[in-house]
Amino acid sequence: EVQLVESGGGLVQPGGSLRLSCVASGFTFSSYWMSWVRQAPGKGLEWVANIKLDGSEKYYGDSVKGRFTISRDNAKNSLHLQMNSLRAEDTAVYYCARVYWYSSSWYWDYWGQGTLVTVSS
Amino acid sequence: DIQMTQSPSSLSAFVGDRVTITCRASQSISSNLNWYQQKPGKAPKLLIYAASSLQSGVPSRFSGSGSGTDFTLTISSLQPEDFATYYCQQSHSTPLFGQGTKVEIK
Repeated sequence: EVQLVESGGGLVQPGGSLRLSCVASGFTFSSYWMSWVRQAPGKGLEWVANIKLDGSEKYYGDSVKGRFTISRDNAKNSLHLQMNSLRAEDTAVYYCARVYWYSSSWYWDYWGQGTLVTVSS
Repeated sequence: DIQMTQSPSSLSAFVGDRVTITCRASQSISSNLNWYQQKPGKAPKLLIYAASSLQSGVPSRFSGSGSGTDFTLTISSLQPEDFATYYCQQSHSTPLFGQGTKVEIK
């Protein structure tokens, strides 16, 4: 059974940092791109970042570019999101999700339960 | 950047009703369109990928259609467990979701 379990969320002051983690099980982690997607309270879904199989390619949404860093450790089946210079508008539930490629496109087929990040003084 | 416009933002329907949600892209995205269902406090769940392919395990009352810029998610006979928020998402370029459609009980 595929499982994605996030951790690391919490309360942080504006300008602070936080590192989220996602541990994967039930599939060959190194064979899949992975993503972070977030959802502000009462709002819609927003893609945050993608990372390729071996971490050689990383992509970010404009709102987090230069502040967040996605990484992975295939030996530990884990995905991370280092969040620096946090702002109030980064307050959200952060989900890790598995990317499934087919033909020339893709979708997110498995999601974690999410971890809440609150940026407030 | 491609923009995604989903409508309506909310709707009320009876159990058994046929429900249609639309999603429009600002430029052609071919069939690179996915649909997700999200219930309160839960992670999104994939329903439809590639505009019209039903994800394994998803009931057949859900269907998707469209290509290019105009897409539709249809629930043929709404069930109590279908009351949720639905999102379209384009995978043609930078990932982007529609604003969501909340389906409520009438």
